[in-house]
Amino acid sequence: NAGVTQTPKFRVLKTGQSMTLLCAQDMNHEYMYWYRQDPGMGLRLIHYSVGEGTTAKGEVPDGYNVSRLKKQNFLLGLESAAPSQTSVYFCASSYGRNQPQHFGDGTRLSIL
Amino acid sequence: GENVEQHPSTLSVQEGDSAVIKCTYSDSASNYFPWYKQELGKGPQLIIDIRSNVGEKKDQRIAVTLNKTAKHFSLHITETQPEDSAVYFCAASSDSTLTFGKGTMLLVSP
Repeated sequence: NAGVTQTPKFRVLKTGQSMTLLCAQDMNHEYMYWYRQDPGMGLRLIHYSVGEGTTAKGEVPDGYNVSRLKKQNFLLGLESAAPSQTSVYFCASSYGRNQPQHFGDGTRLSIL
Repeated sequence: GENVEQHPSTLSVQEGDSAVIKCTYSDSASNYFPWYKQELGKGPQLIIDIRSNVGEKKDQRIAVTLNKTAKHFSLHITETQPEDSAVYFCAASSDSTLTFGKGTMLLVSP
């Protein structure tokens, strides 16, 4: 049972490039989330989804887009990467509202 | 929106001592309060959670207390061990999302 799997684990981009981060969960969870973690800032919610085909903005959504075409996958896109988006990105999933969230091991993204 | 404050930012204890981490929240509608442990290079892992209809919950060496009137909740770890060294996050939720504290780095010295 893999849980939450994030791809890739590491990536270096140049300013202005685009990329997509993939999150996959095999627990049949309805809710999925994307967070970014910066030193001293804790975890901040970027976007989330409460079911297949739905997305919603979190605390820090600017510069990111998401899609949830399949229940098990949640994609995070950066259309034009900026150095301020250098961070560690975590995906999580949960069975429902106010239920324990299960996290992946993160994607470490550097933008030069 | 919800605001969660967490203290202290770092905590150093000797093996066998107890450790206490405290959090306050702002939204009186919050009703779910999980605690996560994050080891270096890993994602956060849930260690215990509590809901607003309960004042205290215990799981072996870990306990969490909740004071809804004062809007604060605390994590208590007894008989600390070196493997308890990690960053701990509290969080609060009143809807579909969690708001996290900024974390506490716990260092347990042998």
